[in-house]
Amino acid sequence: ILNVEQSPQSLHVQEGDSTNFTCSFPSSNFYALHWYRWETAKSPEALFVMTLNGDEKKKGRISATLNTKEGYSYLYIKGSQPEDSATYLCASLFSGGYNKLIFGAGTRLAVHP
Amino acid sequence: ETGVTQTPRHLVMGMTNKKSLKCEQHLGHNAMYWYKQSAKKPLELMFVYSLEERVENNSVPSRFSPECPNSSHLFLHLHTLQPEDSALYLCASSQAATSVDEQYFGPGTRLTVT
Repeated sequence: ILNVEQSPQSLHVQEGDSTNFTCSFPSSNFYALHWYRWETAKSPEALFVMTLNGDEKKKGRISATLNTKEGYSYLYIKGSQPEDSATYLCASLFSGGYNKLIFGAGTRLAVHP
Repeated sequence: ETGVTQTPRHLVMGMTNKKSLKCEQHLGHNAMYWYKQSAKKPLELMFVYSLEERVENNSVPSRFSPECPNSSHLFLHLHTLQPEDSALYLCASSQAATSVDEQYFGPGTRLTVT
């Protein structure tokens, strides 16, 4: 059974704090790792897709790293703002066949002014 | 606005009803997906369509019946559902069903089965 784990489950930070969370996945047959941001009452929105060990991607104050050998990815938010409040989902794609993203349960981030 | 729309946004149905969920994508993508999110569970893939052909059925009960008449539209026909089928149903699309590209999600249909 392929399992994607995210931690922590939820996080409360103050505006201006930097924060990070973790996504763990099985390293065998790894193909790609996706990060999505999901605001309440909206659609999940893609942040990053990473495929190579050591990949680092950045979008504004948000960045992510990937370690495929040990099976984890970190998402970092620098200087959190209230508008960063959302659930952050990671999903792993394993090789072979058609796209079958295995999602983690998400990290719910609340940024307090 | 992700380019993927879903209707209705909310649906309440009895166990003997028949209803359909609709998804439309305006992105020119060739792959479409149905996902289910039950309370306190991760998003779970239900079906994958590639160029209107179903290529993945993730062990979904037959009371859920998908239909993809063209590459822009995807339906999920529901009949004789159970209360445990109450969940958020999300549609998504991507360029191709075999690429690593990100998926574009609709806002979901919140389904309650009474």
